[in-house]
Formats: sequence, structure tokens, C-alpha cells
Amino acid sequence: DTGVSQDPRHKITKRGQNVTFRCDPISEHNRLYWYRQTLGQGPEFLTYFQNEAQLEKSRLLSDRFSAERPKGSFSTLEIQRTEQGDSAMYLCASSPPRSRAIYTGELFFGEGSRLTVL
Amino acid sequence: AQSVTQLGSHVSVSEGALVLLRCNYSSSVPPYLFWYVQYPNQGLQLLLKYTSAATLVKGINGFEAEFKKSETSFHLTKPSAHMSDAAEYFCAVSLNFGNEKLTFGTGTRLTIIP
Repeated sequence: DTGVSQDPRHKITKRGQNVTFRCDPISEHNRLYWYRQTLGQGPEFLTYFQNEAQLEKSRLLSDRFSAERPKGSFSTLEIQRTEQGDSAMYLCASSPPRSRAIYTGELFFGEGSRLTVL
Repeated sequence: AQSVTQLGSHVSVSEGALVLLRCNYSSSVPPYLFWYVQYPNQGLQLLLKYTSAATLVKGINGFEAEFKKSETSFHLTKPSAHMSDAAEYFCAVSLNFGNEKLTFGTGTRLTIIP
């Protein structure tokens, strides 16, 4: 088990470009979360999936943002027409089924994808 | 709605000294509280959690936290700081156990002075 993996780790883009981040959760984890962390702030919830279904989206997730988890495994977060205010660390986290004996309420985080919009 | 407030964005302690990181919560229902740690260039890692069982919770690396309802606090402590404790610490709250939609505080960066 290699943990939650995120790619790319760093992305520098020009304003107006589209970017996509990928998250591979721990295998057999059915829930996957996206959080955003800006400088000097704690992580803020963006959206989450249970298997392939997107169950909740934050108001922070404008219509320029879209997230998918097509087969209930990896997830992508796409930002269209990036703005300087989108510069942040995008964190992915996963957790196992609540019915499993190993469930402890812990979220397992990846190392994040840092976006810089020039 | 729930929230957490972390007092002190930066805390410095000498190696071997007591570590105290403060967290106060606001919640309309009995909260579930967490402390996560973020080491440089690493993902957040759970230190400990309160889920309405024992009010004194022990976590990894010698950390513990006490849930005090009367003070709406969940402060993190460690009796003796080690250089490896240097990191950013986040307090977080959720509505119920199993709800991983967490509301995080702004974090406290802990520096250890040799």
C-alpha cells in the first residue's frame, strides 16, 4: 500500500489556461475527498465521492471547477480558465468503508498538488 | 455549523519543554475533534481524535489532548518537545463520527529551539 498519490506535485500555469490534477486513493478506499489549502489557512472542503458518485460539493467549487471519479478508483479535478485566486495547494484524501473493522474515522491525505497561476 | 479557532499561528518551544497548542471549537451538536500534523513536504497525518469516549485522548508520538466541554477546548500537549516535532498542526471538527467533511483551523506552526 503506497498511500494516496497526487499528480502533478507542482503546476505553474498562466491565467486563463486549464489544469487537471489526478488523485489515486489507497486501494479499497471507497470515499475520496478534495480539499484546498491557501497560504496561512487550513484545508477547506471542496467535494467528495463515494465510489463513483459525487455526493457533495462546496460553494467554493465554482462552475469552473469539475471533479470526476469515473470508475470509483482515481479522481481528477479540473480547473478551467484559471484565475490568480485559484493558486493554492489541492489536497486529496481517502478513507475506507465505514463497515470495515479497520475504519477509524481517519482521513488519509496525499502530499498535495500545488498550483501557481501567473 | 461548526468551527475551530487555533490561538497562535506560530509557537516556539525549547527542546525538552512542554508543548501546548490551543484549539477552541464551536458546534451546535456534540463535536468530533481531530488534530492533524503536516511535516514539511508531506501530507496531513492524524495525530489523535476525540469521538465522545474518553475525554483525555492519547495519540502518536507522545501527544495527547483533553476535551473540555465547559471550556469548548481541545488543546494539544506533549510533555517534552523533540526536534522532530517541528511541523504545522491543524485542529479540525466534524459533525459526527464517520463524517470526514472536516472543518479545519488555520493551523499552528511549531518551531523547536535546540
